[in-house]
Parts: sequence; structure tokens; C-alpha cells
Amino acid sequence: GNSVTQMEGPVTLSEEAFLTINCTYTATGYPSLFWYVQYPGEGLQLLLKATKADDKGSNKGFEATYRKETTSFHLEKGSVQVSDSAVYFCALMGVRGKLIFGQGTELSVKP
Amino acid sequence: GAGVSQSPRYKVAKRGQDVALRCDPISGHVSLFWYQQALGQGPEFLTYFQNEAQLDKSGLPSDRFFAERPEGSVSTLKIQRTQQEDSAVYLCASSSTFASGGGEQFFGPGTRLTVL
Repeated sequence: GNSVTQMEGPVTLSEEAFLTINCTYTATGYPSLFWYVQYPGEGLQLLLKATKADDKGSNKGFEATYRKETTSFHLEKGSVQVSDSAVYFCALMGVRGKLIFGQGTELSVKP
Repeated sequence: GAGVSQSPRYKVAKRGQDVALRCDPISGHVSLFWYQQALGQGPEFLTYFQNEAQLDKSGLPSDRFFAERPEGSVSTLKIQRTQQEDSAVYLCASSSTFASGGGEQFFGPGTRLTVL
């Protein structure tokens, strides 16, 4: 069945450091892929998405490229800020639009 | 309101009690999803409505869980005879497109259920 695996956290970085959060998936076909973010005390928000192979999603300085060869959708940001501290979830869209999430990766950025 | 709202935000129940969790989706959104998020885990799909029709309930963990959306807007997730393993955050999401359209799902803040 469909599944998503992402790197375990917590990840602790200094401000302006480079961020990578790994995400790999198992799926039938080529589902749409997503990154959601959950800031402290807030609900899940869509950060970016990609709907087909080689697409690059980007938002707020974050990027992720849909790689069908490696079944991956790694999240990257060149220079993180304290305000990026949150929990990040990788997800794929299964049948009937249901989202299948990874377990989440907590990011803590220190000044 | 502008976003998805859920109530109550927090619910404490004694084991064996019935609970009802409410979701108010964004006005006009045809698709509504319920997810369950255990502590430290990602959300897991429970059920999906297209307007008032419940098209997928494959994620409901037991027959103690029941969801409805009678008029195609507000939805209620009901859990009967709650157990400790039901403790989780219950998330509601809505979308302006049919599920097959893959539209963005907008999430509510969730209801944190604690069963003692």
C-alpha cells in the first residue's frame, strides 16, 4: 500500500543554516506530493506541493522536487530562520483524495 | 469564518463515555475529511464526505466511530464508549474540489481528546 517515510527528528539548526528533511514514499502510480507545516499552537498548513515527476514545489524559501527515480520529495531551505521552527509533514495523495502522512519531523532553529 | 473551525478544542472524557466532535468547514466546500493524529505521529485518514454522502469510511478504526454530514456542511464525528486508545487530536479538513480533483485541503485546529 501507499506509505510515506520521513527522517526522524528533532532537527536542531542554527539560524541561517541549510535545511534538508528527507522524505521517501511508496505508492502505486505517481501521486501528488505535499509538504505540510504545523507551527506551535496552530493547525496544519500546506507549505508546497508537486503533482508530477520532476515538478518543483516552492514557497517561503522552501523547495522540494518530485523524484520518481528515487521515490523522494526532500524538503530544502537555504537559510533557515527562528520562525521556521515547526513540525513538518510529508504527504502523498491516495485514492479519493485521502492524504497519507509521514510521522513528522520537528525542526528547532536557534538564534 | 474564513477557515475551518472545530469544537470543542479540548475534550476530556471518562472511559466509556460518548463524545461528539464538530467541524465547520469553509463555506461552499464540497469535500470534508476527518483525520486522527496520535501524539508524535502524522495524521491518519478516518473518513471522507462529498457533500452529504460519506464515500469512504475505510479509516474508521472500529464500529464505535461514526461520522455524519447531513446537510453537506457541518460534520460531526461521534465516538461511542470511548477507550484510552482513542486519545488523540482529531483533525477536520475541507476542500473546494471533489476529492479526485486533488484540491488543497484546509485543516482546522483540531480537537484534542483525552480519555481517562
